[in-house]
Order: sequence, then structure tokens, then C-alpha cells
Amino acid sequence: KQEVTQIPAALSVPEGENLVLNCSFTDSAIYNLQWFRQDPGKGLTSLLLIQSSQREQTSGRLNASLDKSSGRSTLYIAASQPGDSATYLCALGDSGYALNFGKGTSLLVTP
Amino acid sequence: SQTIHQWPATLVQPVGSPLSLECTVEGTSNPNLYWYRQAAGRGLQLLFYSVGIGQISSEVPQNLSASRPQDRQFILSSKKLLLSDSGFYLCAWARTVSNEQYFGPGTRLTVT
Repeated sequence: KQEVTQIPAALSVPEGENLVLNCSFTDSAIYNLQWFRQDPGKGLTSLLLIQSSQREQTSGRLNASLDKSSGRSTLYIAASQPGDSATYLCALGDSGYALNFGKGTSLLVTP
Repeated sequence: SQTIHQWPATLVQPVGSPLSLECTVEGTSNPNLYWYRQAAGRGLQLLFYSVGIGQISSEVPQNLSASRPQDRQFILSSKKLLLSDSGFYLCAWARTVSNEQYFGPGTRLTVT
């Protein structure tokens, strides 16, 4: 069974800092990997989708990379802002229908 | 563009009462539909998925059931709620099994 781990569990940074969130997984036989953002009490917002044949995807200040051989993905956030404060979740799609989620990294960006 | 709706947004129900949560998707046809539950301190767990009208698959044995009476409508039900059914229920859709999943706003269920 796919195990997804996100480190760190929580992170606090000052505004303007660049930061990296980490996601590791145990089974490299994946279809894709998605990064989501979840604000308190809200649903999930999809940030980036990386297909298994891709190495990275970029959207604005966000860049996500995928290294299947090492079982790792990173989400890079440039020039962080207080509005980036949220929980970030990575999820892997494989041969089943479920997305396998990590427990998330709670990010706080302080002004 | 596509939109996914869930209602109600919050619900407080006593143990033993029935449950019906609804999810609808607009702007697409024949989507894959999913019900997830997010319990406090735990990750998201897939409960049910559907690839078409009347086609429901369950990922875990539980006190809940799902139905898809129309192409873009997905319903989560229970005849008798348990305390352990409390959680945040999220509906999601995707074009295919390998495509990006899009989530609704969720329903917060508290069973008392």
C-alpha cells in the first residue's frame, strides 16, 4: 500500500522567504501527483498536477517537481506571502481510483 | 467552466439518525465522482467512487452508502449514524481516473 509522508508537519516563515515543502512516497508506480491547498474549514484547491512522465510543473510562484526513482516530490513557493498560509497536501494517483494523501504541511507566513 | 457543489455545509445529527449529503457537478458530463472523509488528525480517505450512473464502488466497509441517480449527482447516505461518522466529507470529480481531481467545499458532520 502506498505510504505518503509530508515533512515538515508545520512550518512558520517570515513574509518574502522562499520555501520548500517535501512529499515522499513508497511506491513509484504512480499515474500522477497532485499538490493541494486547504484553508481551515474549507475544501481542497488543486494547485499543480504532475503526470508520471513529467519532472516538474509551474504555476505563478509555485513550482512542483517529481522524482519517481527516489520517491520524492517538492513544492517550491517563491516570495511567500501571508495569503499563502494554509495546509498543503500532496496526493498520489496510482492504479486504483483513490488519491493517496499525505497528512499535510501546515504553513504560516508571518507579516 | 466546471463547478462542484455540496450541501449542507454543516450538519449536527444525533446518533442513530439518518444522513443524506448531496454533491452536484456543473459544466461537465460523465465525470468520475468521489466521496472522501477527512477525520481530525488523519488524512483523507476515499469512501466511494463512481464511474457512471448507478455504478458505485466502495473502498472501505462502513456504515455509509452512496448512490448516483443522475450523471452529475452523487449522494452519501446512512440509515443510522454512529459517533465515528463525524468528520469532514468532501466530494470530488475528475474527467478520468488518471486526471486531476477537483474538490467541493465540503460538509462538516458532527454526530452527537
